[in-house]
Amino acid sequence: ELKVEQNPLFLSMQEGKNYTIYCNYSTTSDRLYWYRQDPGKSLESLFVLLSNGAVKQEGRLMASLDTKARLSTLHITAAVHDLSATYFCAVDGGGSNYKLTFGKGTLLTVNP
Amino acid sequence: DADVTQTPRNRITKTGKRIMLECSQTKGHDRMYWYRQDPGLGLRLIYYSFDVKDINKGEISDGYSVSRQAQAKFSLSLESAIPNQTALYFCATSDSTVNQPQHFGDGTRLSIL
Repeated sequence: ELKVEQNPLFLSMQEGKNYTIYCNYSTTSDRLYWYRQDPGKSLESLFVLLSNGAVKQEGRLMASLDTKARLSTLHITAAVHDLSATYFCAVDGGGSNYKLTFGKGTLLTVNP
Repeated sequence: DADVTQTPRNRITKTGKRIMLECSQTKGHDRMYWYRQDPGLGLRLIYYSFDVKDINKGEISDGYSVSRQAQAKFSLSLESAIPNQTALYFCATSDSTVNQPQHFGDGTRLSIL
C-alpha cells in the first residue's frame, strides 16, 4: 500500500524567508503532483513531476523529485502573504494507473 | 463555465437519508474520481472510473456507491447517510492519454445531522 507523508503539517513563516516542504512516499513511482488549496476552495495544480531529477519552478515556488530517495520537495523562496494556503503532494501508484494517493497537506501561513 | 461541475455545492441532511452528489465535466476526459476531504487527513479516494463501463473501489468505498451514466457524468450516492460521512467531497477528472494532473471540481460540502 502506497503511503505518502508530508512534513511539516503546519508551517508559519515570515515574509521574505525561505523554507522547504518535504514529501516522502513508500513505493516506487515516477509521477508526483503538487497542488495548492485555498480555504474553502478547490485544488489547483502547481507542478507535475514525471521523472527522476525533475525540477519545475513557478514564481517563488520550486519543486523537485528524487525517485531513488522517494522524495519530493517544494521550496519557497522569499515568501509573500499570497502564498498562504494548504499544499498537497500526490503520488501516482505506478504504471499507467493515474490513481493518486495524497499526503495530508501542509498548512502554510505567511505572516507580514 | 467550470470544466468540472459539482452539484449541490452544499447539503445538510439527516442520518439515514439517501443522498446523491453529481459531477459533470466538459473537458472530454475519460477518467473520473470521487474523493472526500476531512480536516487533517488530506484527500482520500472513494471510487474511480476509467471509462463508462469501468468502476473501481478506492481506499474508502464502504457506505458509498457510484454510477457513471455517461463519459461526462459520474455520481456518488450515500445509501443511508451517517454523521461520520460529513465531509467535503471532490470530483476530479483526468485524461488517460497524457501525463497531466487531475482537475478538480469546486467541491460539495455535506453535513449529516
